[in-house]
Formats: sequence, structure tokens, C-alpha cells
Amino acid sequence: DTAVSQTPKYLVTQMGNDKSIKCEQNLGHDTMYWYKQDSKKFLKIMFSYNNKELIINETVPNRFSPKSPDKAHLNLHINSLELGDSAVYFCASSLRMNTEAFFGQGTRLTVV
Amino acid sequence: GNSVTQMEGPVTLSEEAFLTINCTYTATGYPSLFWYVQYPGEGLQLLLKATKADDKGSNKGFEATYRKETTSFHLEKGSVQVSDSAVYFCALTTGSARQLTFGSGTQLTVLP
Repeated sequence: DTAVSQTPKYLVTQMGNDKSIKCEQNLGHDTMYWYKQDSKKFLKIMFSYNNKELIINETVPNRFSPKSPDKAHLNLHINSLELGDSAVYFCASSLRMNTEAFFGQGTRLTVV
Repeated sequence: GNSVTQMEGPVTLSEEAFLTINCTYTATGYPSLFWYVQYPGEGLQLLLKATKADDKGSNKGFEATYRKETTSFHLEKGSVQVSDSAVYFCALTTGSARQLTFGSGTQLTVLP
């Protein structure tokens, strides 16, 4: 039973398209995150939600919009995809904001 | 603010060699410290953690000791295997933090 699951694992799409990545956790955690990992493996936090409330909203283009319908789900919608959006996107969750995080397997987004 | 500095990679070792990956930190307050491992094509997994000074975290033959006097949490393994090839991330959080702070990651390659 996967603790943090995100779909799809791979996403190849054309520039200008709109796409979504879904994330679900079954750990009963209060906090969920989206991270972006670049080709050098550097991790950058994008968003976090705590109990469905947006807590962290880092400097990302407003083409990226998170949505948390409930504590167990945090989806990421991306409008008007650009080549530079190509990366691996990770969803994660933690019991509280200041505890260790558990990661999904990642979504490799390729924009062509 | 909080920050984590990891030794730069990549690191290449022969099987059965001794591994050290250095990690130092700055933090406001008393941090909890973590090592995560990312195998190729996968998400980050928590490898070990330590929550107070002089604690030693250990898992799968890896160890790290929380050294408050040197603000360090170096990862060690006595005899690496090819299957240990991965990217290793040092991370921390504090009581007032809203997220984990990650280092830049260290790529380890173990050759047979």
C-alpha cells in the first residue's frame, strides 16, 4: 500500500498545453508539499499545504496552481507549459510542518 | 535562517570502500537532522535521522552522528556496495520551521 502516490509517473506534452499531476497520501498527515527537482538533482520547494491551507507559495510562475480538495490530496495544475518546466516533480507529506517528509515516486515532465 | 551544506559530488568509490559524505548546517533553534537517499528513477527515501545532540542515526549499514559542537551530521558507511549508488541528501528542520531544508545532494557511484 503506497504511502504517497502521484500520477502520472511520466508526462510528455507539447508547449502551450495544460496538464495536471495528482497526489494522494494515506498516512494521515496534515502537511503536503510540491517540490521541483532539476537536472542537477537540486530540490526546490514550490508549495505546501497544512490542513488544506496554503502555507508556502514560493516564487513560481502563476501558471502553476496547487489545489488541495482535502488533507489527503494535493494536485498541481500547470497552464501553458514551457520548455523550462521540464523537470521531475515530487509530492511529499509530513505529519506536521516541522517533521520529516515522505516522498512520492516523482513525475518526470518533459515539454517538447 | 536554516541552511545545509553538503560536500560536492560526484563521489566515485570502489566496492567495499569506506564512505564519508560531509554535511554541515546552520539553524535557528535545535534542529532535527536527516539523511535521505534517492535511487535512480525513484523518490527520496528517509535513510536515517537524529533529533538531538550526540544521537547516532543508523540504517542499512549507514551511520551519522549529530555533532552540535561542529554543527555537522556526516554520513558514513564502512563498506559500500554497488547497490548504494544513489544521490544522498542531508536535511534539517526546526521547531519553528514550515518545511525541511535540504542540501544540494551528493551523487555516489560505486564501481564493482
